[in-house]
Amino acid sequence: DAGVIQSPRHEVTEMGQEVTLRCKPISGHNSLFWYRQTMMRGLELLIYFNNNVPIDDSGMPEDRFSAKMPNASFSTLKIQPSEPRDSAVYFCASSPDPGQGETQYFGPGTRLLVL
Amino acid sequence: AQSVTQLDSHVSVSEGTPVLLRCNYSSSYSPSLFWYVQHPNKGLQLLLKYTSAATLVKGINGFEAEFKKSETSFHLTKPSAHMSDAAEYFCVVSEEGFQKLVFGTGTRLLVSP
Repeated sequence: DAGVIQSPRHEVTEMGQEVTLRCKPISGHNSLFWYRQTMMRGLELLIYFNNNVPIDDSGMPEDRFSAKMPNASFSTLKIQPSEPRDSAVYFCASSPDPGQGETQYFGPGTRLLVL
Repeated sequence: AQSVTQLDSHVSVSEGTPVLLRCNYSSSYSPSLFWYVQHPNKGLQLLLKYTSAATLVKGINGFEAEFKKSETSFHLTKPSAHMSDAAEYFCVVSEEGFQKLVFGTGTRLLVSP
């Protein structure tokens, strides 16, 4: 199994530009999660999907952030316009089934730097 | 709301000595608890998890953790540290009935020769 795949692995962009991060979950997994990791705030859940439907987006910082999951094998996290404070590592994770106690499998992350 | 507190931001050990990473949780119900490890510039990997079965949980790479309800603790231990154990470790609690994970602030484990 290839695991969770994220692209790009690194992204450097200028303030005001649109950024799109991509994630391919493990095949057969029904839940997908987007996290952000910063030194100041640690690991934060941004949004999660179950069966392609957004369940909880309360962690999305503001309207500049949006996430979609058009099918079971692909999700995007978009930032438009980007700001320097969005610089962070963004992780995607997936898990087989909903419910407490299910293991989440993390991708390698996308390291985003907004200048 | 559920939360976890990792009591040490850094722990330093010598190779071959025991490891203890401390975690206390706060939960109004019977929680699911996890330990994840993150090596530099890598994603997070599950070490072990507790989901109301045996209170002593064994994980990968010789790590184990014991769920103690009376102490609201879920400390991670390993009898003998290896250089490859140097990483950041996160204690995590799952909200009741949901997969939403709440992460601790992490403990960086340093292993010296």
